[in-house]
Amino acid sequence: GQQLNQSPQSMFIQEGEDVSMNCTSSSIFNTWLWYKQDPGEGPVLLIALYKAGELTSNGRLTAQFGITRKDSFLNISASIPSDVGIYFCAGPPNTGNQFYFGTGTSLTVIP
Amino acid sequence: GAGVSQSPSNKVTEKGKDVELRCDPISGHTALYWYRQRLGQGLEFLIYFQGNSAPDKSGLPSDRFSAERTGESVSTLTIQRTQQEDSAVYLCASSPRGRGSWSDTQYFGPGTRLTVL
Repeated sequence: GQQLNQSPQSMFIQEGEDVSMNCTSSSIFNTWLWYKQDPGEGPVLLIALYKAGELTSNGRLTAQFGITRKDSFLNISASIPSDVGIYFCAGPPNTGNQFYFGTGTSLTVIP
Repeated sequence: GAGVSQSPSNKVTEKGKDVELRCDPISGHTALYWYRQRLGQGLEFLIYFQGNSAPDKSGLPSDRFSAERTGESVSTLTIQRTQQEDSAVYLCASSPRGRGSWSDTQYFGPGTRLTVL
């Protein structure tokens, strides 16, 4: 079945550093979403992307919809301790009635 | 409360027993989703409802799993003859419109942690 692969799997960074993570799929996606999940809670939407090449920012977060429509990138600038959590890419493939989440990138910020 | 609620929050059951997990979506949300999340892993899509209908049930792991939604509101995920590999957190989410607009934010509940002994 469909799999969204995220890299890196985990990151340990110093507070203030920038972070970059990406997500790739085997199928074309029409929408890319990035979610963050804190321990013991459900994911929360951070950014939504709607067309190839789109670059969208939300505060210190910037995400891009890859031009091949098979990948997306998320960058976090000037990381802070509350950025800790697991980041998931997600979206529906071009066809079908399902919705997929990526394998996740676990972020640890060291104060 | 205006958020998605799920019950029970924790469920411990013996192998072979049936369990029912409940989700109360945000009032007025057309779409409702069920996911499974095993420890340390990502979310596995199980099924979604547009209104009371589930267009595609192929995401359900086996025929022991079933789900229904009534009144375009509450949904129940039932697992029959539970197995140890069913142990996971089951998350429910709702969104205003669903398949017609997948970019709608999905609002997640806190999940039900299922442990099968």
